[in-house]
Amino acid sequence: RKEVEQDPGPFNVPEGATVAFNCTYSNSASQSFFWYRQDCRKEPKLLMSVYSSGNEDGRFTAQLNRASQYISLLIRDSKLSDSATYLCVVRYSSASKIIFGSGTRLSIRP
Amino acid sequence: GAVVSQHPSWVICKSGTSVKIECRSLDFQATTMFWYRQFPKQSLMLMATSNEGSKATYEQGVEKDKFLINHASLTLSTLTVTSAHPEDSSFYICSASAGLVGRENEQFFGPGTRLTVL
Repeated sequence: RKEVEQDPGPFNVPEGATVAFNCTYSNSASQSFFWYRQDCRKEPKLLMSVYSSGNEDGRFTAQLNRASQYISLLIRDSKLSDSATYLCVVRYSSASKIIFGSGTRLSIRP
Repeated sequence: GAVVSQHPSWVICKSGTSVKIECRSLDFQATTMFWYRQFPKQSLMLMATSNEGSKATYEQGVEKDKFLINHASLTLSTLTVTSAHPEDSSFYICSASAGLVGRENEQFFGPGTRLTVL
């Protein structure tokens, strides 16, 4: 089993729709969780950290469920510019390496 | 702040040659940098952790004699792909933590180097 698993997609949704991704992780000792965004042929960029209580940043909402070991990302009122691959990232501690999921491809159509 | 640069951004070389990729932290000091490889439509795979002044820690399955890592200063780490072959063609990305307060776990990525071996 992979340490971090994501649905690869692609998710193809119309502009303005709401879309959600899940990501599961296998190590219950994981401490830090993030969502990164990667555009084609570019480096990943941090979208948002995921906090235990859940957090929101504009149209983006991240949730963490430690009991079921998954995190989620919700995008509301999707824009064409949201088209990208979204990477789920898990870190065991501040001193350890980070583990990337394989990414979920999102395509927003006009 | 927390900018990471890589050079070159892309390189094409003949099979059997060696290629050096530089990763620099421009406005912060990085005691640890990470090197990743990403094949098309796949996620980033950690190759090694580069520690300033000491030997790199390689992930399982990554040949340390083929992928030479040197972290000579707090702002520079280099990855040398020795005797490159077509199967080494990939997107190589480095990252570093800037140690920013409240953002200690955030990784800042370089723009990547696209290597094509003919």
